[in-house]
Amino acid sequence: AQKITQTQPGMFVQEKEAVTLDCTYDTSDPSYGLFWYKQPSSGEMIFLIYQGSYDQQNATEGRYSLNFQKARKSANLVISASQLGDSAMYFCAMREVTYSGAGSYQLTFGKGTKLSVIP
Amino acid sequence: GAVVSQHPSRVICKSGTSVKIECRSLDFQATTMFWYRQFPKKSLMLMATSNEGSKATYEQGVEKDKFLINHASLTLSTLTVTSAHPEDSSFYICSAAPGKNIQYFGAGTRLSVL
Repeated sequence: AQKITQTQPGMFVQEKEAVTLDCTYDTSDPSYGLFWYKQPSSGEMIFLIYQGSYDQQNATEGRYSLNFQKARKSANLVISASQLGDSAMYFCAMREVTYSGAGSYQLTFGKGTKLSVIP
Repeated sequence: GAVVSQHPSRVICKSGTSVKIECRSLDFQATTMFWYRQFPKKSLMLMATSNEGSKATYEQGVEKDKFLINHASLTLSTLTVTSAHPEDSSFYICSAAPGKNIQYFGAGTRLSVL
């Protein structure tokens, strides 16, 4: 079973509108972290926002907010006031402890959602 | 945020040659770095976890002898694609975490094997 599911291969949003990118996850680990990254056409992965499984409040970073619904195992990304520069691939990722001894925390990525902002 | 530098950004090589990709954490020390591979229009696939001072941990299906990883210092990990073939052409990207949470990524290396 997929650990991270992003059901929207592509999304369109009008400039200045808000958009929600869906992400659901699957884990039995009580302690985990959820991340969103943006990948423009240049290829670099840009960190956007992080939510810990024990965080009581939804994470926010500027125009980005994470709608964390633990019982539903969902961690949707909300981008407010979309800009043309927001056009990119967006990946949801989860961190679980790997117990590999060196304190390594691997990330598992979803398949991504391609967001296109329309002028 | 923390800065991770990856070099080269693009490399073209002949089949049978080896290519080395460097990943450096510029403003923090990284005991652990990660190497990913990304096919066009696909997600990132973890190849291996690079541990400073010890052997890398490879994911299932990744050839250790093909993709050599060396984590010589707390700020540098290298990935060497040995005897590269056209099927090794891909986008390789590394990441490192200053703590236990957020991983920061390099800009990636686009490898083309002719």
